[in-house]
Amino acid sequence: GQQLNQSPQSMFIQEGEDVSMNCTSSSIFNTWLWYKQEPGEGPVLLIALYKAGELTSNGRLTAQFGITRKDSFLNISASIPSDVGIYFCAGLRGGTSGSRLTFGEGTQLTVNP
Amino acid sequence: KAGVTQTPRYLIKTRGQQVTLSCSPISGHRSVSWYQQTPGQGLQFLFEYFSETQRNKGNFPGRFSGRQFSNSRSEMNVSTLELGDSALYLCASSLEGRQGGGYTFGSGTRLTVV
Repeated sequence: GQQLNQSPQSMFIQEGEDVSMNCTSSSIFNTWLWYKQEPGEGPVLLIALYKAGELTSNGRLTAQFGITRKDSFLNISASIPSDVGIYFCAGLRGGTSGSRLTFGEGTQLTVNP
Repeated sequence: KAGVTQTPRYLIKTRGQQVTLSCSPISGHRSVSWYQQTPGQGLQFLFEYFSETQRNKGNFPGRFSGRQFSNSRSEMNVSTLELGDSALYLCASSLEGRQGGGYTFGSGTRLTVV
């Protein structure tokens, strides 16, 4: 099925470093969502973006909804060991006929203390 | 506020059998969606239910089906199980499943087909 192009696939960083990951699509989305998934659990919503150009922060996390509505990025500042996990972007079109999330392939983040 | 509850957490089935998974959404949420997560294909949309009606369907064979009850609880069923059906099945609930509605996922059901 269709997926978003998410990069990088994996990152190995030192505690305290900043992290950046992004998603691109050939299609337009009305909403962009960023999730984090830890082993044995479902994805947990980190940030939701609803308007093109929107820049939203949640603590050390900052995400932006691209102007073209075809891309989004997520930044994590001053990483800590508990940031370890898989980060997914997801696009949502929505509409009267129902909606579905289209996911990126995920970015596996490892933080070395 | 209770989260999304999926049961069972783990399941082992034999090829050819059928299985039913359950999802209880957050109270007040009317939209329930199901996703399959595998290492090779990632997270793939199965179907969405809203007010007991299937509103959206992904590209999965007819062996995958679901339903939603009047209390918004949902079940999905997989018949004639194949080895490739081994996956983490995730349920997500939202208020209405439209733009602006945040999706909350359950912890999933890990299905292993042997």
